[in-house]
Amino acid sequence: SAVISQKPSRDICQRGTSLTIQCQVDSQVTMMFWYRQQPGQSLTLIATANQGSEATYESGFVIDKFPISRPNLTFSTLTVSNMSPEDSSIYLCSVDLGSYEQYFGPGTRLTVT
Amino acid sequence: GQNIDQPTEMTATEGAIVQINCTYQTSGFNGLFWYQQHAGEAPTFLSYNVLDGLEEKGRFSSFLSRSKGYSYLLLKELQMKDSASYLCAVGGNTDKLIFGTGTRLQVFP
Repeated sequence: SAVISQKPSRDICQRGTSLTIQCQVDSQVTMMFWYRQQPGQSLTLIATANQGSEATYESGFVIDKFPISRPNLTFSTLTVSNMSPEDSSIYLCSVDLGSYEQYFGPGTRLTVT
Repeated sequence: GQNIDQPTEMTATEGAIVQINCTYQTSGFNGLFWYQQHAGEAPTFLSYNVLDGLEEKGRFSSFLSRSKGYSYLLLKELQMKDSASYLCAVGGNTDKLIFGTGTRLQVFP
């Protein structure tokens, strides 16, 4: 298993600003994923972040809006840029330990006013 | 295209058995996963099926039929703490998971 922490746990931000979410894992992992979960909805994959390469974004998500860093095998950040109320959501990171089983962080609850 | 369907909501009584169904159509298949998510918390892994048949783990069992694109999660001896959302997810051609919309289960006394 893996222990995953995220910072911040929640934030309230103003329209037009940006927020960077951090994800820290207690072991080295190759693949990290960033998801969005809007209220009452399931998880939507934003991008896959591998160390040493650019993130791979899913349809509907672009690097300018959601830039991702993956400086090493235990850490990643997701930035939500130029926020609007539609970005209000829970953002979760997850890791794949190589057995197709993904472990999720506790999530960051973002409210944009 | 890729599609995963689950019922939106289900209700059941404490001590009963409930079956949550999931049908899927995906490009590629590397296994089917069930996750449990309590309100305000992160999803937690419940089960993984890659071969046809039933996998039993305590009060929870998961079934897979690859030819039918069908899975179910069976919860026995329901407890109040089982009230949660249950997410069906499929591993496709890559290492990423595709999640269904989730089934919100409410257990009543």
